[in-house]
Amino acid sequence: GAGVSQSPSNKVTEKGKDVELRCDPISGHTALYWYRQRLGQGLEFLIYFQGNSAPDKSGLPSDRFSAERTGESVSTLTIQRTQQEDSAVYLCASSLGSGETQYFGPGTRLLVL
Amino acid sequence: AQSVTQLDSQVPVFEEAPVELRCNYSSSVSVYLFWYVQYPNQGLQLLLKYLSGSTLVKGINGFEAEFNKSQTSFHLRKPSVHISDTAEYFCAVKKSSASKIIFGSGTRLSIRP
Repeated sequence: GAGVSQSPSNKVTEKGKDVELRCDPISGHTALYWYRQRLGQGLEFLIYFQGNSAPDKSGLPSDRFSAERTGESVSTLTIQRTQQEDSAVYLCASSLGSGETQYFGPGTRLLVL
Repeated sequence: AQSVTQLDSQVPVFEEAPVELRCNYSSSVSVYLFWYVQYPNQGLQLLLKYLSGSTLVKGINGFEAEFNKSQTSFHLRKPSVHISDTAEYFCAVKKSSASKIIFGSGTRLSIRP
């Protein structure tokens, strides 16, 4: 079946603009995660959705970052008033449930000029 | 708080040589442990995971890892590497009662012919 998909694959934006990144998880996966991977660094947890529970937002770096998920489907990560330090690859992963193996999407490479 | 340390940011080895990528974690509670691989220009994929049971875990592509509770380590090994193993390898830890996975900073494995 189809894996996790993300769009766009690449995004170049100007400092101060808002961007919206999209993630389509694997069908039936109740858990969805967003991570950030800066150049040469490991993955940084941003936010986690599990079913209808309140999301775990403990990794969001600032109030410029927000994410939504509609039911157990698509999720969008929004970054408002982008800054150059937001440049990174944003990865989405989904899993059947909490603790299950995470399947990663190809990522969105964001460059803020 | 949990943390994951990958001591080696880069590991160069010759083809057909054995390799060990080190991972140490800190946690006061029961954990699950993972190794993910990221091939050039691709998304992350799971190599192997330890949830419980046998401390020696076998994964894909001939890799294995051993969970050592007393040393809080989960080192990844392969007896004979191939050029195609060139990638970045991430160790990750998750409390068995939690949802968030904490990733290490990664180890870049480069294979010389």
